[in-house]
Amino acid sequence: AQSVTQLGSHVSVSEGALVLLRCNYSSSVPPYLFWYVQYPNQGLQLLLKYTTGATLVKGINGFEAEFKKSETSFHLTKPSAHMSDAAEYFCAVSSSGYSTLTFGKGTMLLVSP
Amino acid sequence: NAGVTQTPKFQVLKTGQSMTLQCAQDMNHEYMSWYRQDPGMGLRLIHYSVGAGITDQGEVPNGYNVSRSTTEDFPLRLLSAAPSQTSVYFCASSYSNLGKGQAFFGQGTRLTVV
Repeated sequence: AQSVTQLGSHVSVSEGALVLLRCNYSSSVPPYLFWYVQYPNQGLQLLLKYTTGATLVKGINGFEAEFKKSETSFHLTKPSAHMSDAAEYFCAVSSSGYSTLTFGKGTMLLVSP
Repeated sequence: NAGVTQTPKFQVLKTGQSMTLQCAQDMNHEYMSWYRQDPGMGLRLIHYSVGAGITDQGEVPNGYNVSRSTTEDFPLRLLSAAPSQTSVYFCASSYSNLGKGQAFFGQGTRLTVV
């Protein structure tokens, strides 16, 4: 069984500040890890994913995440927040060979001027 | 190339009514899934399919039926709607296992059961 824990249902930052959204996972097999973003009344858009290889993964819109096996973590970061980053972010895990995702409960990112 | 198309976008049902949420993809993807999104719960898997004629249950399948007669379509049927099924429903599709590709999501169907 797999599970994902996202720490903090809401995270507030000022424009230009560092964004850090936390994700820890549980998986009995090597995981594939994903971050999705959801803007209001929209579907989900893939930000980045980790499958194998380099543990630091770069995604769209300046986001990146680092897979740390020893900590079972996959935290999402962005050096400088922009107002347009305000959205809900979901961390998800999948197992090798499978097509379905197990999602965390989501973190709403609020960006203030 | 429309991607994943869900219809309708909004629906209000009375308790006990049945309906079908439509999902179609034009990317020739083998894999399709249905999720529901509830506040504070993230997305939870309802049913999924790995190809035409093959479906399986996810985490929260009760009250829902699916079938997959074509590669393109994966409808979700509510047999007798209940207020607990008020949610936003998302359909997703992908080529193969998610290590090689990515899941594409539709825009969602917002369902209210009164």
